[in-house]
Amino acid sequence: DQQVKQNSPSLSVQEGRISILNCDYTNSMFDYFLWYKKYPAEGPTFLISISSIKDKNEDGRFTVFLNKSAKHLSLHIVPSQPGDSAVYFCAAVEYGNKLVFGAGTILRVKS
Amino acid sequence: ETGVTQSPTHLIKTRGQQVTLRCSSQSGHNTVSWYQQALGQGPQFIFQYYREEENGRGNFPPRFSGLQFPNYSSELNVNALELDDSALYLCASSLRLASDTQYFGPGTRLTVL
Repeated sequence: DQQVKQNSPSLSVQEGRISILNCDYTNSMFDYFLWYKKYPAEGPTFLISISSIKDKNEDGRFTVFLNKSAKHLSLHIVPSQPGDSAVYFCAAVEYGNKLVFGAGTILRVKS
Repeated sequence: ETGVTQSPTHLIKTRGQQVTLRCSSQSGHNTVSWYQQALGQGPQFIFQYYREEENGRGNFPPRFSGLQFPNYSSELNVNALELDDSALYLCASSLRLASDTQYFGPGTRLTVL
């Protein structure tokens, strides 16, 4: 049973446009969420996080939105750049700082 | 300040063998977690170490074991390797146990033949 789901295996976006990556979770006890970006042959790189006491967090071109009632979060990238092409993982923090990851979404930004 | 480093980068073993993977945490970080990432999946939590003690374990059999050293570096040992153990093994460190953000190393790609 997947507690964190990223239902879109891939997403293709034109350079300069908005990329929206989605993530759903089932465990209402999750109270902290993170997004990681992963290039081939590298480890995941931390992008942005959000606590359940907030519904939005921004960092430059990256914004994460959290809808607790829907158990849904999304990552917006505006404007998208070719260097953003990577695999994006959504993760939730479980007890003891264990991270529970989704399966990832491959983002391709076309120039 | 150096980030998280892992060695070796790649490793090929045969079924039944044993393997040791190594991780150096980011400077000042006292908590290390290990994850297994199979092809096409997200990383899965194996276990976490805090100040040389295991602090939580995922759904992995006892043949997966670990150590953390006084300098906070860590090892992952896997005995009696199986074909399904082929994966990318990721180490992540965090500043302290209560930190929610973990910083990952580049991983070790293990292939079991």
